[in-house]
Amino acid sequence: SQQGEEDPQALSIQEGENATMNCSYKTSINNLQWYRQNSGRGLVHLILIRSNEREKHSGRLRVTLDTSKKSSSLLITASRAADTASYFCATTNAGGTSYGKLTFGQGTILTVHP
Amino acid sequence: DVKVTQSSRYLVKRTGEKVFLECVQDMDHENMFWYRQDPGLGLRLIYFSYDVKMKEKGDIPEGYSVSREKKERFSLILESASTNQTSMYLCASSPYRGLSYNSPLHFGNGTRLTVT
Repeated sequence: SQQGEEDPQALSIQEGENATMNCSYKTSINNLQWYRQNSGRGLVHLILIRSNEREKHSGRLRVTLDTSKKSSSLLITASRAADTASYFCATTNAGGTSYGKLTFGQGTILTVHP
Repeated sequence: DVKVTQSSRYLVKRTGEKVFLECVQDMDHENMFWYRQDPGLGLRLIYFSYDVKMKEKGDIPEGYSVSREKKERFSLILESASTNQTSMYLCASSPYRGLSYNSPLHFGNGTRLTVT
């Protein structure tokens, strides 16, 4: 079953603009992570936010988490053509014995035009 | 840097064949995972392992099995390949960091399997 749902499914912007992607999930989580995937390659971890955190920054990335709404957003500021990729949110469920397994959403395809 | 290596980038097999997908990680990680990725469906967990010889079913284990005889190696086995198993297969690993499970996954580059 899909835990995370990204929105929008596709986003097309110009270089220099900001890109915002949203993720919603259904169950209580331990943490939420964002990954990037370049075409035909594996996923690369971008940022992890714990369930007791509300905002986190890493370079041009800003992630927010609202556990009351079960949603997260990823903001990429001053986008570059090299940011063109698919972006996925993924969650680790709270409680139980999850062994750190992640449940992924369907992803947002970001295209940044030079 | 953690390296997760999948033995093949592309693989073409015939229906009914037994298929082995191999994955090796070089960072002594306890946890290893197999996902498949299909357009419109995202990544779905097939199996994972948290220790040598230990395995747990994921969300879509039917038609698959796994083997973990050594800590660094996690194999995915398609007992009798079918066309609906044509997909991108992604292996990942992560370290055990206590019950908070706040560890990112490290992915290999994937194996694109085509079953004809």
